[in-house]
Amino acid sequence: EPEVTQTPSHQVTQMGQEVILRCVPISNHLYFYWYRQILGQKVEFLVSFYNNEISEKSEIFDDQFSVERPDGSNFTLKIRSTKLEDSAMYFCATFPPGRLLEQYFGPGTRLTVT
Amino acid sequence: DAKTTQPTSMDCAEGRAANLPCNHSTISGNEYVYWYRQIHSQGPQYIIHGLKNNETNEMASLIITEDRKSSTLILPHATLRDTAVYYCIVRGPLIFFQGAQKLVFGQGTRLTINP
Repeated sequence: EPEVTQTPSHQVTQMGQEVILRCVPISNHLYFYWYRQILGQKVEFLVSFYNNEISEKSEIFDDQFSVERPDGSNFTLKIRSTKLEDSAMYFCATFPPGRLLEQYFGPGTRLTVT
Repeated sequence: DAKTTQPTSMDCAEGRAANLPCNHSTISGNEYVYWYRQIHSQGPQYIIHGLKNNETNEMASLIITEDRKSSTLILPHATLRDTAVYYCIVRGPLIFFQGAQKLVFGQGTRLTINP
């Protein structure tokens, strides 16, 4: 059974629109990560989040991106004004309880910006 | 994080053992070796990790050389469903109240299991 699920599985949006991607853990988690993968390229780290704060972010994670935990459970990644180059798979990752060396990934959200 | 080097692609016959090598000659003493795989565009799947000793779980075995400069992931009886890109990643330990460090993915090894 997956540790996390992600919604939506596929999101199509127009350039300049805001999108919110959601990560829903099965159980209570403190650590969250977002990664993305542009088609045909490597999986890239975006941001890590611990105890309701960003603990690390990459150069990709600019002012257009934000993360939050709006209801203490779900974990969201927001892109304020999407660009064509934001088209990618976005993966959420976390750790199973008590197994803080094993990072598990969600199934991903495919974002297509037109 | 130490850099890893893997072959770009490998083939293996179904039912045989698949041995995937990884070089990590600059690994530090407290860094772990992780293996993940990615099937099509699915989320990366955790396989196994190790520090110094060889490890085995229900999916695979991990053999780490004594000097820790290289390792081999072994899928003992490969099936068609094992066709995927396999990533060898070296990462530092968990830092409490900060979380484990991010995973840095390379290009990995594209493993094709042939019938």
